[in-house]
Amino acid sequence: SAVISQKPSRDICQRGTSLTIQCQVDSQVTMMFWYRQQPGQSLTLIATANQGSEATYESGFVIDKFPISRPNLTFSTLTVSNMSPEDSSIYLCSVDRRGGAGQYFGPGTRLTVL
Amino acid sequence: GENVEQHPSTLSVQEGDSAVIKCTYSDSASNYFPWYKQELGKGPQLIIDIRSNVGEKKDQRIAVTLNKTAKHFSLHITETQPEDSAVYFCAALGPLNNAGNMLTFGGGTRLMVKP
Repeated sequence: SAVISQKPSRDICQRGTSLTIQCQVDSQVTMMFWYRQQPGQSLTLIATANQGSEATYESGFVIDKFPISRPNLTFSTLTVSNMSPEDSSIYLCSVDRRGGAGQYFGPGTRLTVL
Repeated sequence: GENVEQHPSTLSVQEGDSAVIKCTYSDSASNYFPWYKQELGKGPQLIIDIRSNVGEKKDQRIAVTLNKTAKHFSLHITETQPEDSAVYFCAALGPLNNAGNMLTFGGGTRLMVKP
């Protein structure tokens, strides 16, 4: 497994602002992912964070709304831009060392937008 | 793309009883099936997984079975304890996306173990 930390653990933000969430892993990993978990719901993949290149977004998610950086093999950020109350969710990063199997999740960032 | 359905959505058992959660998947090419446990306020924790080349895997009180022909897999928890209370998610490694591989998650099962 891997030790994954996220900052902040929670935040309350005003409509129209942006929040950047950080994900740090204790060792180099091949793949990092960002998920959204809306209240009481399952996990939905936002994008795959690619080291040294643009992230790969899933259907329904766009770079302007969720810009992602991955400057190295242990760190990534997700920004939630121009927030609205509908963005209130838990945002989770995950890592995968085994090329598509064995994903491990961070503790999540609980975001509330007023 | 892959579709994973999970049942039941809620499950209440008495401490010491067994609990079974079932999932079905749609893509016969899926070959990896993990199960996650998510406690309140925490991220999902990988508790057990199974690959398509085996039919069953056990780890102490937890077991997972896979029926590739029927495209369903199940999580079995024996001798349940109050600390097993959590939301459980199944997942399947589905078709490749542009970046490589993608897990598709079931809707989750809220398990409550009553003392």
